[in-house]
Amino acid sequence: QKEVEQNSGPLSVPEGAIASLNCTYSDRVSQSFFWYRQYSGKSPELIMSIYSNGDKEDGRFTAQLNKASQYVSLLIRDSQPSDSATYLCAVFTNAGKSTFGDGTTLTVKP
Amino acid sequence: EAGVAQSPRYKIIEKRQSVAFWCNPISGHATLYWYQQILGQGPKLLIQFQNNGVVDDSQLPKDRFSAERLKGVDSTLKIQPAKLEDSAVYLCASSLGQFPLYGSPLHFGNGTRLTVT
Repeated sequence: QKEVEQNSGPLSVPEGAIASLNCTYSDRVSQSFFWYRQYSGKSPELIMSIYSNGDKEDGRFTAQLNKASQYVSLLIRDSQPSDSATYLCAVFTNAGKSTFGDGTTLTVKP
Repeated sequence: EAGVAQSPRYKIIEKRQSVAFWCNPISGHATLYWYQQILGQGPKLLIQFQNNGVVDDSQLPKDRFSAERLKGVDSTLKIQPAKLEDSAVYLCASSLGQFPLYGSPLHFGNGTRLTVT
């Protein structure tokens, strides 16, 4: 079992729809959770960070964390073609250990 | 604020040759990371520095990979000798604190794309 698992994808949604990206992790001491967006041929860029259970909203993006279920998700509302990219889930422990998932590729069709 | 600088952007070498990558983190960032990203996979941590010291190098293939952080600032990653399976993008990232908590996310450089033939 991988330490951080994401939907294998690819995920395709029509423009204007909600895209839902999921991530589960195995290390119970994980404390910090991040979503990165990576366009093809580019380096990852931070989209959202979340540290406590519940929802965190930033514009069209909402991150959700459930530590009991070891689950973190990212919702993208009103999806745009420019959101088409690979989304990486990153999990950090307080000891500084970082693990990235393999990513979910999202395509938003006009 | 200048971002994380990496060089070179691209490198093509033959197997068994050696190669070195350079990274200059954002000024004031204490923690520096080197990741290997193989096509279709997520970044895999190779080594993490906190100032001058190594925090985690558990996934660094030490028989062929080495890294150092000079005076707690710049860093170099070296592969000697290279294998075909080392073909990947090598990403350098930095963050303010030891843990990317509370507004201290990782900032990535543009990466170095290595092709081993």
